[in-house]
Amino acid sequence: KQEVTQIPAALSVPEGENLVLNCSFTDSAIYNLQWFRQDPGKGLTSLLLIQSSQREQTSGRLNASLDKSSGRSTLYIAASQPGDSATYLCAVRALTGGGNKLTFGTGTQLKVEL
Amino acid sequence: NAGVTQTPKFRVLKTGQSMTLLCAQDMNHEYMYWYRQDPGMGLRLIHYSVGEGTTAKGEVPDGYNVSRLKKQNFLLGLESAAPSQTSVYFCASSPRGTGNTEAFFGQGTRLTVV
Repeated sequence: KQEVTQIPAALSVPEGENLVLNCSFTDSAIYNLQWFRQDPGKGLTSLLLIQSSQREQTSGRLNASLDKSSGRSTLYIAASQPGDSATYLCAVRALTGGGNKLTFGTGTQLKVEL
Repeated sequence: NAGVTQTPKFRVLKTGQSMTLLCAQDMNHEYMYWYRQDPGMGLRLIHYSVGEGTTAKGEVPDGYNVSRLKKQNFLLGLESAAPSQTSVYFCASSPRGTGNTEAFFGQGTRLTVV
């Protein structure tokens, strides 16, 4: 059974700092990995999708990397801003089990302070 | 561009009552999913569908039923609501295949069972 872990569970940083969020998964047989952002009381917004054959994806100040063999992904946020405060979730899409199911981590709650 | 739309956004039910949550997507996606999100437990898959007329059980299916009569709609039913079903429910959809299968989520339905 695929298990996804995100560390740390919560993180508080001053504005302008570069930061890294971690995601690890137990089964490396994945199609892809997706990072989401969730604001309080809101739905999930897709940030980045990395295919299993890719090493990284970039969008603006965000960079996500994937090391499938070691079961790890990182989300790098450059020059953090208060508007980046949210919960960040990673999810892996499994090759086995059918239905292209997404398995989620429990998230990292990020607070960027002025 | 509506994406994934959930109805209703909020609902309070009494124990034993029934209700149906509606999810509609306008992206012609094959796959649709229902998740529930509880504090400290992340998102857990309830049921999913790989195409019109098909449904399958996810991780926590007990107490729920689903139907996918039309490709664009995925309904989640609670026949006899219990307080343990108090949660935030999210619907998602994604394309079929092994390529860009980016998942998109609705804004959620906050359900309270008293």
